[in-house]
Parts: sequence; structure tokens; C-alpha cells
Amino acid sequence: DTVLTQSPALAVSPGERVTISCRASESVSTGMHWYQQKPGQQPKLLIYGASNLESGVPARFSGSGSGTDFTLTIDPVEADDTATYFCQQSWNDPPTFGGGTKLELK
Amino acid sequence: EVKLVESGGGLVQPGRSLKLSCAASGFSFNDYWMGWVRQAPGKGLEWIGEINQDSSTINYTPSLKDKFTISRDNAQNTLYLQMSKLGSEDTAIYYCARVRAHIDYWGQGVMVTVSS
Repeated sequence: DTVLTQSPALAVSPGERVTISCRASESVSTGMHWYQQKPGQQPKLLIYGASNLESGVPARFSGSGSGTDFTLTIDPVEADDTATYFCQQSWNDPPTFGGGTKLELK
Repeated sequence: EVKLVESGGGLVQPGRSLKLSCAASGFSFNDYWMGWVRQAPGKGLEWIGEINQDSSTINYTPSLKDKFTISRDNAQNTLYLQMSKLGSEDTAIYYCARVRAHIDYWGQGVMVTVSS
């Protein structure tokens, strides 16, 4: 299975720019997607196909990358962005998720 | 408005079976792949599997294939997950999902607790 590796946690101040990384153990082309999950809620799609912003998601969120290295950027970060962010690949079977990056606001 | 509502969860004894349902509304159910994802308490997300529009293709994460069976009833706009020989490791929130390579809609999830 394709293993996706994310940093466990980040802490940033409101108004700053934050990048959350996801590294795949093998190429996933642009078959990478990003989700936001707040405590007690289901995940929410933010970015699909590595860089496509889901409808209704603020333009503060953006995604980039291809192959094995991907980035989710939030600029500027707002207090409401406190959440865990997961990457997911759909290029190789079975689909897999990263372990999640917990974003905390200082 | 797209809605996915899971049901059928609860407390189940080890070794027993359980069947979850997911009622879909707000979209043409038989036009989409559907799937299941689970999340153990305090842990990450795990893809269980997905089913295509006419049930002719069903894919499972290999490590989970012997435990889960996914099915759907397009007439009832309902997705199912049959779980068998449950163990404590299957304690999790189970999410129903609309699948398009990515997951664009998630249900609110249903908790399954496996314990004696």
C-alpha cells in the first residue's frame, strides 16, 4: 500500500502562512486530496487532484505538488482553521490516508 | 442538499456481526460510486472499500477484505456495510462516503463499539 507521511502537529499564529506537507512512498501523480476535520465532525474536502479547490472552500486554502511530494497551504491562517488535516491518495490501490497533521493556533 | 445518514451502530460483542446502513438523499444515488471509511478513537482515517453504480465492481482494502461486505440498493438509495467476526480493533466511527477518487461528501458517522 502507498504510505502517506505527514508531520503530526504544527502551531502557528493567526494571520501567518502555514504549509502542511504530505509525502508518498511512491508516485501518486496528482491523485492527492486534502481534508479538514474538526473535533467531533466528519472530514470535509478542501482540495482534490492536488491543486483544485473544492467549491465553497475559502481561497485561503491551496494545494500543490505531484509525484511524491504535496503541500497544503493556508494563507492567512484564521482561528477557525484549528483542525486536523489529512491527505489521501487515489492513484494507487487501495486508497490510503496520511496520519493527519493537527494544526493549532498560538 | 446532499445528505448521507448512517445507522445501525452500537455496542456489539466480540465475534459477532453487524450491518450498517447509509441513507442517501439530495443527489442521484445510482450515478455515483459509494464507499466506507472508518476512524478508530483518536486515530486516523482508514479506507474500507467502495462500490460502483451497479454493484458490478466492489473494491476493498486487502487487509480488511475478509471482514467487510459492501452492498447497495439503488431503489432504496441505501448503502450497506456488513461486518463479521468483529474484534476490539474494529471499534471506530464508520463513515459513509460519496466517492469520486476523492470523497466529496461524508456522512456524520456512526459509532461501533466492540466489547464484551
